[in-house]
Amino acid sequence: NAGVTQTPKFRILKIGQSMTLQCTQDMNHNYMYWYRQDPGMGLKLIYYSVGAGITDKGEVPNGYNVSRSTTEDFPLRLELAAPSQTSVYFCASSYRNQGNYGYTFGSGTRLTVV
Amino acid sequence: DQQVKQNSPSLSVQEGRISILNCDYTNSMFDYFLWYKKYPAEGPTFLISISSIKDKNEDGRFTVFLNKSAKHLSLHIVPSQPGDSAVYFCAASARETSGSRLTFGEGTQLTVNP
Repeated sequence: NAGVTQTPKFRILKIGQSMTLQCTQDMNHNYMYWYRQDPGMGLKLIYYSVGAGITDKGEVPNGYNVSRSTTEDFPLRLELAAPSQTSVYFCASSYRNQGNYGYTFGSGTRLTVV
Repeated sequence: DQQVKQNSPSLSVQEGRISILNCDYTNSMFDYFLWYKKYPAEGPTFLISISSIKDKNEDGRFTVFLNKSAKHLSLHIVPSQPGDSAVYFCAASARETSGSRLTFGEGTQLTVNP
């Protein structure tokens, strides 16, 4: 049971380039999330999805796009990379009605935009 | 608007002593609270949670206390062990309005010295 898998683990982008951060979960969780972690700022929600075909914005969605074509996959797209998007990105998943509402997180993608 | 705040960026304790990590929140709609633990280069992992109908929840060495009138919760680790050294995130959910979405604090780096 792999849980939540994120790829790549590290990436350096030039300003203006685009990329997709991949996220896959094998726990049949209906909810999935993308967070970014900046130093001293905690985790900020970028986008989330309550099921296949449904996505919604979180606190900091500007500069990102997502899609949820299957229950398992929730890729995050950066279209025009900017230095402000340098961060560690975490994907997570959860059950809607799980008693403890606990998320399962991936191990993160460290992105640097230069 | 930081709805969940962890005012101590770092905490250092001796092995065997008690570690107390604090968290304050401002949103009165929050009704479920969680603590996550994060090691370097890994994603956060769920540690313990508490519902707003309780004021205490215990799991082994970990106890979470909730003071709703003060909008304050704390995580007690007794006894502290060197393996507890990690970043601890407090998180909260307003299940009626936000479903399973979590709002995270900034994190506290706990160092347990042998």
